[in-house]
Amino acid sequence: QITLKESGPALVKPTQTLTLTCTFSGFSLTTSGVGVGWIRQPPGKALEWLALIYWNDDKRYSPSLNSRLAITKDTSKNQVVLTVTNMDPVDTATYYCVHRRVRGIFDIWGQGTMVTVSS
Amino acid sequence: DIQMTQSPSSLSASVGDSVTITCRASQGVSNSLAWYQQSPGKAPQPLIHAASFLQSEVPSKFSGSGSGTDFTLTISSLQPEDFATYYCQQYHSYPYTFGQGTKLEIK
Repeated sequence: QITLKESGPALVKPTQTLTLTCTFSGFSLTTSGVGVGWIRQPPGKALEWLALIYWNDDKRYSPSLNSRLAITKDTSKNQVVLTVTNMDPVDTATYYCVHRRVRGIFDIWGQGTMVTVSS
Repeated sequence: DIQMTQSPSSLSASVGDSVTITCRASQGVSNSLAWYQQSPGKAPQPLIHAASFLQSEVPSKFSGSGSGTDFTLTISSLQPEDFATYYCQQYHSYPYTFGQGTKLEIK
């Protein structure tokens, strides 16, 4: 059974860097074709894809936030980390960690973690 | 970026009804189109991949069709648990993009 769980701060101040960790089980990020990504959803708004990292360390980012995002993996810990620099109140959202296989959809989602940006 | 536009944005229906939601892509995405269901306070759950293929354990009351730029999600015999928000998403090319969502409400 594949599970993913997000962790990180619930509150960050404007201009700070957000670091979110996705801890997963039931699969390995060393298996060919496997990827882990991040998607966010501001309160009452639509979903927005942010980033993906694959088993071969290929990384993809949303162009709208590209310069502010970094995604890394630690296969020994079964973790994927997303950092978002220069946080702003408009970045207030629930951040989801997701599993996918190459050419597949986001088939397994974490429960999400709500992050509020406020001074 | 490929823009995904869903219609309608909201929809009222009764238990037992059937409804259809439309998703249009600003450029062709072949059949690389997924549908997700999101209940209040929950993470989205995948319903359909490759435009028309049901995810494992998704009931057959859900069906999808389309290819290229125009897609539909049909839900038959609505039950209370089906009243939720539905999103389409293209995974044809980066950046992956979602529609704005269709909120299905009980009439």
